[in-house]
Amino acid sequence: EPEVTQTPSHQVTQMGQEVILRCVPISNHLYFYWYRQILGQKVEFLVSFYNNEISEKSEIFDDQFSVERPDGSNFTLKIRSTKLEDSAMYFCASMAGSDTEAFFGQGTRLTVV
Amino acid sequence: AQSVTQLGSHVSVSEGALVLLRCNYSSSVPPYLFWYVQYPNQGLQLLLKYTSAATLVKGINGFEAEFKKSETSFHLTKPSAHMSDAAEYFCAVTPDYNQGGKLIFGQGTELSVKP
Repeated sequence: EPEVTQTPSHQVTQMGQEVILRCVPISNHLYFYWYRQILGQKVEFLVSFYNNEISEKSEIFDDQFSVERPDGSNFTLKIRSTKLEDSAMYFCASMAGSDTEAFFGQGTRLTVV
Repeated sequence: AQSVTQLGSHVSVSEGALVLLRCNYSSSVPPYLFWYVQYPNQGLQLLLKYTSAATLVKGINGFEAEFKKSETSFHLTKPSAHMSDAAEYFCAVTPDYNQGGKLIFGQGTELSVKP
């Protein structure tokens, strides 16, 4: 069964460092998302991406965040200068069409120290 | 603005007992509602979804949910809990189902199943 794959499963980084979280969506999917979940809190939407551009972003997704789909298969989330409060589980998701099910990856746990 | 509230961050039931996980939504437009499950160290998996068809929705693993507009609720039920149902459950809403829109999640309910 096709699945969304995220790497790494756990990343530890020092405050102020850049980090790139990687996702391989399901191959024929067109809509891509990043969500995050701070420990003990809700899963929060960060950004959606369609047709090679951001279609929507939340207020969390400030200038420190960026997304890319560099090669037609990977979908990356970059945090330029990490802060302690960026520590969270980050989930990637993809959808085949605008009215279909969102498939989620297993998440990357980011710890900023 | 759309929002979702899940009552109870932790629910514990005995194996074989009824599972009831509560979800209330707030939406100014007809909502599309979802239940996702997260098993330990795994991603979110769709259990079921309501998209304005039948109000009683059946999902995987014996779960079902009923959309009640008068109560703004979409509670998840299963007649008989199994040990393998232990997981975290998330209710979610999107106002933009046909537009590839984002999901807005509740805070999650952790279900424990006692032998």
